[in-house]
Amino acid sequence: DAGVTQSPTHLIKTRGQQVTLRCSPKSGHDTVSWYQQALGQGPQFIFQYYEEEERQRGNFPDRFSGHQFPNYSSELNVNALLLGDSALYLCASSSMDRNTGELFFGEGSRLTVL
Amino acid sequence: AQSVTQLGSHVSVSEGALVLLRCNYSSSVPPYLFWYVQYPNQGLQLLLKYTSAATLVKGINGFEAEFKKSETSFHLTKPSAHMSDAAEYFCAVSFSGGYNKLIFGAGTRLAVHP
Repeated sequence: DAGVTQSPTHLIKTRGQQVTLRCSPKSGHDTVSWYQQALGQGPQFIFQYYEEEERQRGNFPDRFSGHQFPNYSSELNVNALLLGDSALYLCASSSMDRNTGELFFGEGSRLTVL
Repeated sequence: AQSVTQLGSHVSVSEGALVLLRCNYSSSVPPYLFWYVQYPNQGLQLLLKYTSAATLVKGINGFEAEFKKSETSFHLTKPSAHMSDAAEYFCAVSFSGGYNKLIFGAGTRLAVHP
């Protein structure tokens, strides 16, 4: 049973560029959440997708956007990159039917903005 | 508003010694509580969770945590530390109806020395 998979694992961008990160949820899961983990900090909630719609959003600007596909996979897009966007981006999946708060995390995509 | 406070950003113990990592939460509704572990350059792995059943929760790798409502605490313990326990540990809170959104503490880095 494959867990949560993310791609790419590492990438380097320059300020002002755009980036797309991808996530495939754990088998049987229908909900995908994205978190940003800056160096030395805990993960911060960006947003959550369920039934191809954004259901919840954290305190992140509109430069951060996402999408969920019919197969439940998801993308995170960040436009007009800033140095401060450098972080580990974690995707987590869960089942909306089992609303216990337990998330399964991927290994993350480490973004460096120069 | 919900929040999580982890006391001590760094904890150092000797191999074989007791591990105690502290977590206090703030929640206006009954919470779900979690401990996750993160090894270097990896994602988050669930250690254990409290979801309103038994207040003493046993997790993987010999860890356990006790939910104390009166103290709003959910401290993580392990009787005897092993070198392989060295990692970053995160406490997180969610709540029923929160649709699986987690709020994380800032993390505690555990070092284990011989």
